[in-house]
Amino acid sequence: DQQVKQNSPSLSVQEGRISILNCDYTNSMFDYFLWYKKYPAEGPTFLISISSIKDKNEDGRFTVFLNKSAKHLSLHIVPSQPGDSAVYFCAASLGFQGAQKLVFGQGTRLTINP
Amino acid sequence: AAGVIQSPRHLIKEKRETATLKCYPIPRHDTVYWYQQGPGQDPQFLISFYEKMQSDKGSIPDRFSAQQFSDYHSELNMSSLELGDSALYFCASSSKTRGGAYNEQFFGPGTRLTVL
Repeated sequence: DQQVKQNSPSLSVQEGRISILNCDYTNSMFDYFLWYKKYPAEGPTFLISISSIKDKNEDGRFTVFLNKSAKHLSLHIVPSQPGDSAVYFCAASLGFQGAQKLVFGQGTRLTINP
Repeated sequence: AAGVIQSPRHLIKEKRETATLKCYPIPRHDTVYWYQQGPGQDPQFLISFYEKMQSDKGSIPDRFSAQQFSDYHSELNMSSLELGDSALYFCASSSKTRGGAYNEQFFGPGTRLTVL
């Protein structure tokens, strides 16, 4: 039972353009969402997060949008750079008060083409 | 800045052997989490500790046990290893902010366990 789903296993984007990675979730109790970036042979690196009381959070080139009614979130990267090529994981937790486990999506491999 | 340290980075074991994975959280982080990532899969939560007490448990086999020590480092002990235990094992740590919320989990580089 995959509670967090990333339906696109891969995405290819031209350098300088916008990359949009999508994530859907089924558990309406999730109320804190995070995006992680992962290079081969390394651990996931935290990128950006959003709590369910917001619909948008921005940090530099990264913006996360949350649509609670659709149980959908997306990560926008603009402009995309070659160093952004990696696997991106969406993760969700049952809140941020207290030590909550993360439930991950399957990941999307983003490739930025020069 | 100091990151999460995991050792060893690579481990090769035979079936039915035991393995111990170590995790050293970021200084002043009081919570440690263990995740398992199989080939081509997403990380799966195994177990977590807060202030040296187990706080949550996921799909961790009975053959595995873990603990958090007084210096906050954690060890994952795996016995009677099976071929299916071959995976990347990640440790993550987090801390409570001034507002009382736990925010992001910071991951270590992982230990790649290969069971032959």
